[in-house]
Amino acid sequence: DIQMTQSPSTLSASIGDRVTITCRASQNIGHSLAWYQHKPGKAPKVLIYTASTLQSGVPSRFSGAGSGTEFTLTLSSLQPDDFATYFCQHYDGDSTTFGGGTKVEMK
Amino acid sequence: QVQLVQSGADVKKPGSSVRVSCKASGGTFITYAVSWVRQAPGQGLEWMGGIVPILDTPTYSQKFQGRVTISADRFTNTVYVELTGLKSEDTAVYYCARGTMTGSYSWFDPWGQGTPVTVSS
Repeated sequence: DIQMTQSPSTLSASIGDRVTITCRASQNIGHSLAWYQHKPGKAPKVLIYTASTLQSGVPSRFSGAGSGTEFTLTLSSLQPDDFATYFCQHYDGDSTTFGGGTKVEMK
Repeated sequence: QVQLVQSGADVKKPGSSVRVSCKASGGTFITYAVSWVRQAPGQGLEWMGGIVPILDTPTYSQKFQGRVTISADRFTNTVYVELTGLKSEDTAVYYCARGTMTGSYSWFDPWGQGTPVTVSS
């Protein structure tokens, strides 16, 4: 089974900071990766799919990059609404696996 | 736009079973994979399995094999998950989520609102 490892698990940042979260796959997964934002009491919201495609309606300050085994989610300028937990997800057509999550909190 | 509406919160005793439903409205449902994902307190998201309603063949995560049953009713656009042999560790919020590519497991959009399940004696 492919394992997805996110880092860091917690990230402290301030409004306006550039924030980068990393997701590593235990095997080459090509571009089969999505990123979600998850806030308490709400359903997760997809931000990025196929590693770098921005979901419609998601602000352009979010961007995704990478392929193979290493992927990043970058927030170019952290906004108050961005404090949340972020998950990566690998999908392969037959099943799917999530990373452990990165909580972005206020410094 | 498809919307997924789940059944309400539930409290169960250890050793019992729970069944959560997920009803779709407003769009195509039966040709897409619908998955169940749970989040235990303080933990990450965990995929349990899913089903493509038109194929009616469920797929399960190895972790839950033997304890979970996922089924679909194409006529009511509803997908169900049943988990048996409940333990306190099964206390979690259970989400349904629809895939975005017909017939296969892909990224999820939309998601249901989540169903809290508490397992306690």
